[in-house]
Amino acid sequence: AQKITQTQPGMFVQEKEAVTLDCTYDTSDQSYGLFWYKQPSSGEMIFLIYQGSYDEQNATEGRYSLNFQKARKSANLVISASQLGDSAMYFCAMREGFIDMRFGAGTRLTVKP
Amino acid sequence: DTGVSQDPRHKITKRGQNVTFRCDPISEHNRLYWYRQTLGQGPEFLTYFQNEAQLEKSRLLSDRFSAERPKGSFSTLEIQRTEQGDSAMYLCASSSGTALDTDTQYFGPGTRLTVL
Repeated sequence: AQKITQTQPGMFVQEKEAVTLDCTYDTSDQSYGLFWYKQPSSGEMIFLIYQGSYDEQNATEGRYSLNFQKARKSANLVISASQLGDSAMYFCAMREGFIDMRFGAGTRLTVKP
Repeated sequence: DTGVSQDPRHKITKRGQNVTFRCDPISEHNRLYWYRQTLGQGPEFLTYFQNEAQLEKSRLLSDRFSAERPKGSFSTLEIQRTEQGDSAMYLCASSSGTALDTDTQYFGPGTRLTVL
């Protein structure tokens, strides 16, 4: 069964606007972690933001914030004030336990000038 | 540069040949992971080391694949008798292993393998 679902294969956003990338997950564990990574065309996976299942506050890191809705099992990434350099693939991932991390299929974000 | 490094960045080989990739993790990170990423997909977990011990292997890791981390520092991933289906990006990641809740994995630039 698919653990992580990213329903948007591609998204477009105008420079300086905000964009939300969707992610839903499936787990029966009470303790888990949610991650977002950015992968530019160079290939390297760049860690953006982390949300723990017990964290009551939504995680924020600069222009990135994670809209965590535990009951709905969603962990959407919000990028504010988009920049041209934000154009990349974005992957949502979930870790159950300490090791096993599963990734979604990704969303390709294109920022238009 | 203290990030995760991988070598080579690109490898083209003929079917049936053996290939070996190297990963150097962030200094003092005791956990090291290998992933495979095919076009249009997210990374898939292959195997994991805690120091020099290989503690977990995915079912994706066939008998033709072997990974080592002999001194608990760098790691190698070898693929024997390569097949065209092995063509993919091979990603290495490391984590400190000290923060049980976050333990964020930091990735290297990957090795892109093409099997002709």
